[in-house]
Amino acid sequence: DQQVKQNSPSLSVQEGRISILNCDYTNSMFDYFLWYKKYPAEGPTFLISISSIKDKNEDGRFTVFLNKSAKHLSLHIVPSQPGDSAVYFCAASAWGGSQGNLIFGKGTKLSVKP
Amino acid sequence: DVKVTQSSRYLVKRTGEKVFLECVQDMDHENMFWYRQDPGLGLRLIYFSYDVKMKEKGDIPEGYSVSREKKERFSLILESASTNQTSMYLCASTLGGSYGYTFGSGTRLTVV
Repeated sequence: DQQVKQNSPSLSVQEGRISILNCDYTNSMFDYFLWYKKYPAEGPTFLISISSIKDKNEDGRFTVFLNKSAKHLSLHIVPSQPGDSAVYFCAASAWGGSQGNLIFGKGTKLSVKP
Repeated sequence: DVKVTQSSRYLVKRTGEKVFLECVQDMDHENMFWYRQDPGLGLRLIYFSYDVKMKEKGDIPEGYSVSREKKERFSLILESASTNQTSMYLCASTLGGSYGYTFGSGTRLTVV
């Protein structure tokens, strides 16, 4: 059973607009969440993270929002640029647990059109 | 910056061959992981290791084995390659705790 779900396999956005990527989780023990970005033929690279003690974390054009009661997080990219076109993976962990492995969603492919 | 290096970017192997995928990290990380990425299936954990000589099965270990003889090196072995093992293989390492993973560039393996 999937503990981290990215229900939209793909998203298409116009350059300059906002991109919103969503992620839901089921394990209430998760207390740390990360977003990774992956270009074709490359490994995923870390983008932004958020701890469960926060509800928002911002880094330049990227903001992650966490709604613990809904077990939902989202990544906002404003403004979107063509170079943001990639697959985005949401990941979660329970660091207080055994070893704190990251659990990944299946990814959302973002296409930003010029 | 942590560097995770995977020995090959692209590999083509024949069915039944024994295949070795090598991964080396340079930051003394305890934890190392092997994933495969397939379209629509995301990142699936094959094996991981928290220490030298230690290994733990991930979600899809069948058809694979691993070796961790030195802290910096984590090898993935396909004992007898099959066409359904054609995939992108990704190695990652981490210090653990609240640190994220650092991934290698990936190995695109094609089994013919």
